[in-house]
Amino acid sequence: QKEVEQNSGPLSVPEGAIASLNCTYSDRVSQSFFWYRQYSGKSPELIMSIYSNGDKEDGRFTAQLNKASQYVSLLIRDSQPSDSATYLCAVNFGNDMRFGAGTRLTVKP
Amino acid sequence: DAGVIQSPRHEVTEMGQEVTLRCKPISGHNSLFWYRQTMMRGLELLIYFNNNVPIDDSGMPEDRFSAKMPNASFSTLKIQPSEPRDSAVYFCASTMGDTQYFGPGTRLTVL
Repeated sequence: QKEVEQNSGPLSVPEGAIASLNCTYSDRVSQSFFWYRQYSGKSPELIMSIYSNGDKEDGRFTAQLNKASQYVSLLIRDSQPSDSATYLCAVNFGNDMRFGAGTRLTVKP
Repeated sequence: DAGVIQSPRHEVTEMGQEVTLRCKPISGHNSLFWYRQTMMRGLELLIYFNNNVPIDDSGMPEDRFSAKMPNASFSTLKIQPSEPRDSAVYFCASTMGDTQYFGPGTRLTVL
């Protein structure tokens, strides 16, 4: 069974703090991993992709991948109220994209 | 590029009626995905096409649901007959390589 699991949250952090979002997946034959952001009432939008073990940084966002532990995370530094959204982890199982349930993040001013 | 286009954006219908949702993927994208999103079940993959061919429809909930992709620029998801439990937001996404681009979604309400 292919599964992608996330802490459903909600996660609340103060403005300026680091938000840490976590995701685990159940199938080892997975080569690509994604984080999507979804604002309420909107469609998911891609914010990060990662393909190899280690860290990938893009502005205030850092994705971390550990294939041995089947674990992928997203760190948001200097969190802003505009980062308040649901964050979806997605894993591509050979062109079969599966999403986690999402973690709702609230950044409080 | 206009992005993925979905229509209608909102649909309200009565139980038992046929519903057809439409999607125009981004030009040049070779894969198309249909998802359903509800509060209870999150984002669920219903079916995906690669080069207009259905690859995996194991997520289609039952025979009331059907999807077609007659050409590279158009796909439909049909529910016949519709039921109140089909109420959800239905997203279409197209893909070039690994990156998926989502349409704005169709909010379906079945009364």
